[in-house]
Amino acid sequence: SQTIHQWPATLVQPVGSPLSLECTVEGTSNPNLYWYRQAAGRGLQLLFYSVGIGQISSEVPQNLSASRPQDRQFILSSKKLLLSDSGFYLCAWSRRSTVGGYTFGSGTRLTVV
Amino acid sequence: GESVGLHLPTLSVQEGDNSIINCAYSNSASDYFIWYKQESGKGPQFIIDIRSNMDKRQGQRVTVLLNKTVKHLSLQIAATQPGDSAVYFCAEIRPYGGSQGNLIFGKGTKLSVKP
Repeated sequence: SQTIHQWPATLVQPVGSPLSLECTVEGTSNPNLYWYRQAAGRGLQLLFYSVGIGQISSEVPQNLSASRPQDRQFILSSKKLLLSDSGFYLCAWSRRSTVGGYTFGSGTRLTVV
Repeated sequence: GESVGLHLPTLSVQEGDNSIINCAYSNSASDYFIWYKQESGKGPQFIIDIRSNMDKRQGQRVTVLLNKTVKHLSLQIAATQPGDSAVYFCAEIRPYGGSQGNLIFGKGTKLSVKP
């Protein structure tokens, strides 16, 4: 069966520090991968998605970047965090070949102080 | 931006009552719809889905209704329990997602169950 792992679960970082959140998927090949951000009490905002290694599409201009160094690994990064980067970050995957829903990771609660 | 919207941001129901959560979508070309449940501090979890060639689908205590004429989707939860308290998102799948990926989420409805 397919599983998605996301870590860390919580993170407190000072303003100006770097960020690296990692997401890995097991049990499938060539997944579409996604990073979402969710502000408190709000909906899901798509940040990045990837259809293959090294292929990243950005949905909103921001202080963050994403990379996909391996087929089942998706990384969210920042060189210098801003207070506004605080939020709940979710990784998700979906099958590329068939229409279907997304499976989400457990999320990372990032607080920038 | 989001094209799937919800009619009510919050819903409070008594334990044991039935809950109905509504959702409107805007793209008539969308052919697949999903309801997700998100508990506090966790990622969204799949509840039930429905394809556009159906108007009703039932799961365990949940039923999704699709009205393509008015582009409306609803989630019915029977005998609502405290464990059903969560935020519920509807999502639509567009056949050609283009640059955004093909899953569009609504803003969510927070369901609170009173004991």
